[in-house]
Amino acid sequence: EDKVVQSPLSLVVHEGDTVTLNCSYEVTNFRSLLWYKQEKKAPTFLFMLTSSGIEKKSGRLSSILDKKELSSILNITATQTGDSAIYLCAVHRGTSGTYKYIFGTGTRLKVLA
Amino acid sequence: DAGITQSPRHKVTETGTPVTLRCHQTENHRYMYWYRQDPGHGLRLIHYSYGVKDTDKGEVSDGYSVSRSKTEDFLLTLESATSSQTSVYFCAISESNPGLADYNEQFFGPGTRLTVL
Repeated sequence: EDKVVQSPLSLVVHEGDTVTLNCSYEVTNFRSLLWYKQEKKAPTFLFMLTSSGIEKKSGRLSSILDKKELSSILNITATQTGDSAIYLCAVHRGTSGTYKYIFGTGTRLKVLA
Repeated sequence: DAGITQSPRHKVTETGTPVTLRCHQTENHRYMYWYRQDPGHGLRLIHYSYGVKDTDKGEVSDGYSVSRSKTEDFLLTLESATSSQTSVYFCAISESNPGLADYNEQFFGPGTRLTVL
């Protein structure tokens, strides 16, 4: 059975701290891994990692895919209160006609001023 | 932002009544998905569609049916709503062109909060 596991489930840090969020997966026909940020609304896309693009960076956020370990990390440096959100990891898997996204339960991050 | 709308945005209904949620896209994407999101469970796939009149079940499809008669619309129906179907429902779209590996991004609609009393 396909599964995606995120850790930790929740995290409380202070502004300026660096955090690392983890995502591990077991799926068939892996295509890509995606990270989303969800505040009090719909998830918004952060990164997509594939076999041809295993490291992405945008400002204070960066992510790496380890295909050997079947995992990914999302790093946030110099955290700000605006980073408080649920961070979702999803794996896109499948073959033609059967594409699906499998989501982890998310990591709830709270950044204190 | 991807052009995805959901209607209604909020609904309160009673147990046993039928409910239909609508997802509408203006991106002409091939794939459409319905998820529900509940505390402690994350996003769980209900049904998805890979083309007009082509649909398949997700992991939590019991009690739900879908229809897609046009590329832009994907309807989710609860034939007889139960309290366990109280949730936030998200529609999503993606292109997933096999020839374009990077076209795997999935975009979400704003969500529908459904309460079944």
